[in-house]
Amino acid sequence: QSALTQPASVSGSPGQSIAISCTGASSDVGGYDYVSWYQQHPGTAPKLIIYDVNNRPSGVSDRFSGSKSGNTASLTISGLQAEDEADYYCSSYTSVSTWVFGGGTKLTVL
Amino acid sequence: QVQLVESGGDVVQPGRSLRLSCAASGFSFSSFGMHWVRQAPGKGLEWVAVIWYDARNKYYADSVKGRFTISRENSKNTLYLQMNSLRAEDTAVYYCARILRYSSAWYSGLVPPMDVWGQGTTVTVSS
Repeated sequence: QSALTQPASVSGSPGQSIAISCTGASSDVGGYDYVSWYQQHPGTAPKLIIYDVNNRPSGVSDRFSGSKSGNTASLTISGLQAEDEADYYCSSYTSVSTWVFGGGTKLTVL
Repeated sequence: QVQLVESGGDVVQPGRSLRLSCAASGFSFSSFGMHWVRQAPGKGLEWVAVIWYDARNKYYADSVKGRFTISRENSKNTLYLQMNSLRAEDTAVYYCARILRYSSAWYSGLVPPMDVWGQGTTVTVSS
């Protein structure tokens, strides 16, 4: 159950688009279309923003989108806003019926 | 509205035990599987365990297998995490989270991801 690999940090200016990658293995990301993304602001609980690779829960902005290719999933945030500054975590179902998270990516809006 | 409230966090010595609770309200608790996820100070999220809605299936992270037990009492709308043989590396904020039932994983009979989260309870393991 090794953690998924995410970049430690990304940054972008308001209005720009950024992408966060999440790399796993064939036993998790590559083997299932069950990748989720969570947004966490400091001192608060995580919030689900993408599930099943590219689906958004009700109420989540359509500026957030997800995709997957092979063992790597990606979260794209378009039209960056100051409120998007947060930590982002990917998560994947695994072949042993568990879930595994990425190490997290800190997004800075310049 | 859907609400999850964790409790039971404390400061405990290494080797001791602790039981966390998660009180659910605003939804049919007995129809949903539940997860525990933890976050060490300044670190990322770590999935801990999941339990089926009827407790028929339970799965654990390797880091807690054999030491932690997830359980539930549907009549009390409450989820538990019994933590034994605690170690310093178990120090974290512990979150309970409801499964996302409209994930296709649910329809495939697999473990869905986490949906609604509680605010967490803090466990500190220190001598």
